[in-house]
Amino acid sequence: NAGVTQTPKFRVLKTGQSMTLLCAQDMNHEYMYWYRQDPGMGLRLIHYSVGEGTTAKGEVPDGYNVSRLKKQNFLLGLESAAPSQTSVYFCASSYGTRNAVQYFGPGTRLTVT
Amino acid sequence: GQQVMQIPQYQHVQEGEDFTTYCNSSTTLSNIQWYKQRPGGHPVFLIQLVKSGEVKKQKRLTFQFGEAKKNSSLHITATQTTDVGTYFCAGLDADMRFGAGTRLTVKP
Repeated sequence: NAGVTQTPKFRVLKTGQSMTLLCAQDMNHEYMYWYRQDPGMGLRLIHYSVGEGTTAKGEVPDGYNVSRLKKQNFLLGLESAAPSQTSVYFCASSYGTRNAVQYFGPGTRLTVT
Repeated sequence: GQQVMQIPQYQHVQEGEDFTTYCNSSTTLSNIQWYKQRPGGHPVFLIQLVKSGEVKKQKRLTFQFGEAKKNSSLHITATQTTDVGTYFCAGLDADMRFGAGTRLTVKP
């Protein structure tokens, strides 16, 4: 099993450009999450999904959109990137409820210039 | 809203010294989880505490959940260079919130 994978690993965008980050898991988990990690801020939840076709806002959802068309995939979109979105993005998944153990992907380092 | 505070933000120790990080929540938690993130890596689950006053051990690591279920601690005895990384707590109330983490560095 690959666990949780993320593509791409690194990306540099110019302000105003758009992009999509892909997260895939092969553990048949119901829940999937997108976090951003900034120095001194820990992990902040952007959006999450409790199952195929569902999404919900987390702590910092502004400027991001998500889709969960297939159970194994969770996409994070930036429609018009801003320098404030420079961060490391982690995807995670968990089985069952939100208090279950979360399994994280390797992360995507995004720089917006 | 729910907040999870973690202290200290940084800790530098000599190899062999002990290390403790503390996690405090503004609300009562259903459970608390601890994760470790190695430099350049991703968070990896260490343990989950559910019961009031619960204490769990993993080799040199001791985890405690407070009686009021609003605080927790992670204590490492006799640190080793392999303990280097950032330790996060994550508390579940209405939402799962991560603390900002404690970055541990160990001097050989």
